[in-house]
This record gives sequence, C-alpha cells and structure tokens, in this order.
Amino acid sequence: GQQVMQIPQYQHVQEGEDFTTYCNSSTTLSNIQWYKQRPGGHPVFLIQLVKSGEVKKQKRLTFQFGEAKKNSSLHITATQTTDVGTYFCGSNSGNTPLVFGKGTRLSVIA
Amino acid sequence: KAGVTQTPRYLIKTRGQQVTLSCSPISGHRSVSWYQQTPGQGLQFLFEYFSETQRNKGNFPGRFSGRQFSNSRSEMNVSTLELGDSALYLCASSLDRLSSYNSPLHFGNGTRLTVT
Repeated sequence: GQQVMQIPQYQHVQEGEDFTTYCNSSTTLSNIQWYKQRPGGHPVFLIQLVKSGEVKKQKRLTFQFGEAKKNSSLHITATQTTDVGTYFCGSNSGNTPLVFGKGTRLSVIA
Repeated sequence: KAGVTQTPRYLIKTRGQQVTLSCSPISGHRSVSWYQQTPGQGLQFLFEYFSETQRNKGNFPGRFSGRQFSNSRSEMNVSTLELGDSALYLCASSLDRLSSYNSPLHFGNGTRLTVT
C-alpha cells in the first residue's frame, strides 16, 4: 500500500500567520487527497491531486503535488480561527484502500 | 442528499463483550470503508466493502469483522472487547474507485466506543 508521513504533528500559529503541512512518501503516489477534521467532528474531503506538479487553490488554501509525486503540501495563508482542526493527507492506488498520514493538528491563537 | 449515518453515536461496553456498529452510506454510494481513530494512531484502515464483498482488510485482529448488505448498508462487529479497542470508529462511503482518479470519502460522524 501507499504509506504517507505527515509533518509537523502539531502547529500553533497566531491568527494571521501562514501555516504549512507536508505529506511525504518514499514511493511514487498515484494521488493525494486532503481532508480536514474539526475538533469533535469527522474528516471532510478538501481536494484531490493526481498530476505531477499540480497546484490547486481554494481561497486561502493552496495544495501542491510534487514533481516526483512523492510529496504534497497544504499551505494556508493568513490563518483564521475557523482553520482550526486536524489536516490529513491520504493516498491510494488502484484497488488499495485510502491510507492516511497521522495528521497535523493546527491551533490558531486569536 | 442525506449524509453517511452511523449508529449509535456513543457506546460503553465492558471488556469481553461484543459490539456491532452500523453505517448507512450516502444514497448511490456502493463502497463503504471503516476506520478506527485514536489520538496516537490517527486514522487506521479496518475494511472496505463493495457490492457485499470485502475488497480490502487492514491489519487488525480477527476479532474485528464486518459485512455489507445488498442495500450497501454496512455493519462492523468487534468481539471480545479489549480496553485498547476504545476509539472513534468512522464509516465512509464513496462512489466506486476508478483507476488513478479515486472518489473522495464521505465520512459519518462516527461511533465513540468506550471499553471499561
């Protein structure tokens, strides 16, 4: 299966600061999916990347898939308190299940 | 369209007992996956079902089992509960997965299981 490592495990930022979480693999990934889980909630799908070097934006969120398709990043510009939660990356291939990294928990200090 | 529904939301069981959790997927979704979430281990894959067949199984002991019915509803069962089974059990449904473009997972609110 496709194993992914996510760093950092925790990140505390002041409101208005930027935030980045990274997802890395030792093998080439078929795709990367990003999910957000608010405290007390369930993971919610954010986006999927499938192409080498792909960059997608959702308002203040920028998602990137590395050229070698072995890493991905999620960058949030000017964090807000509504960004609080745990961000997970996951990957699968063919008929293998979606395997998640352990997540990055983001805290935003107002 | 209604989301993924999991019942019950909370369960308290005693060591040695067994438990059955239920999941109703989004209408039209034929694939159902189960994950165990704990603070230290993140989201651990349990099983995936499609058209009543188990397509994938994670690295969990045989005490963990599941099934899917013809209407795509799914259940998972844990027998001989252990303290370490305390976790949030999440069910997720999706349209079938095709090649390299895989349908995203839609998660339910989960069942919080506490084993005492």
